[in-house]
Amino acid sequence: DIQMTQSPSSVSASVGDRVTITCRASQGISSWLAWYQQKPGKAPKLLIYAASSLQSGVPSRFSGSGSGTDFTLTISSLQPEDFATYYCQQANSFPLYTFGQGTKLEIK
Amino acid sequence: EVQLVQSGAEVKKPGESLKISCKGSGYSFTSYWIGWVRQMPGKGLEWMGIIYPGDSDTRYSPSFQGQVTISADKSISTAYLQWSSLKASDTAMYYCARPYDFWSGAFDPWGQGTLVTVSS
Repeated sequence: DIQMTQSPSSVSASVGDRVTITCRASQGISSWLAWYQQKPGKAPKLLIYAASSLQSGVPSRFSGSGSGTDFTLTISSLQPEDFATYYCQQANSFPLYTFGQGTKLEIK
Repeated sequence: EVQLVQSGAEVKKPGESLKISCKGSGYSFTSYWIGWVRQMPGKGLEWMGIIYPGDSDTRYSPSFQGQVTISADKSISTAYLQWSSLKASDTAMYYCARPYDFWSGAFDPWGQGTLVTVSS
């Protein structure tokens, strides 16, 4: 199985900050990576697919980059509604998809 | 609007059976896979398996093979996740999700989730 490791596991930041979350795959996955945002009591929401494609309706302050084994999700200027948990998901090895363990973004 | 609507919360005892559902609407149900994801209390997302309702081709994550059964009834655009004998460790939120497109492997939309509580 492909293992996905996110870092950090949690991060504290302030409104207006730039935040970067990293996801590393245990083997190369080309650009088959998605990012999700999850708020308490809600289903995950797709933010980024194919490593860098912004899902329709998602604010442009969210961006994704990377290929192979190393990927990043960047929020350019944090807004109050961005405080949530973020997950990466590899989509290289159908049907054995896997998620990262999550990164909790908290208010400083 | 593409939508997945899941069945309501369940409270069961250990050893009981359970089948939860996920109804798709707003798209051709037989043309897209449907996946299932587990989230245990306070924990992350775990991929369970996936079904293609068009021909019922079903694949499981090794961690869940033999533990659950995924099925679908295309006549009513509904996918199912079932257990024959629940354990306390099956207590979790379960989500169904549809691929966003035919190539990226990303999932959107998601159902609202079904909370399963197993307790004696």
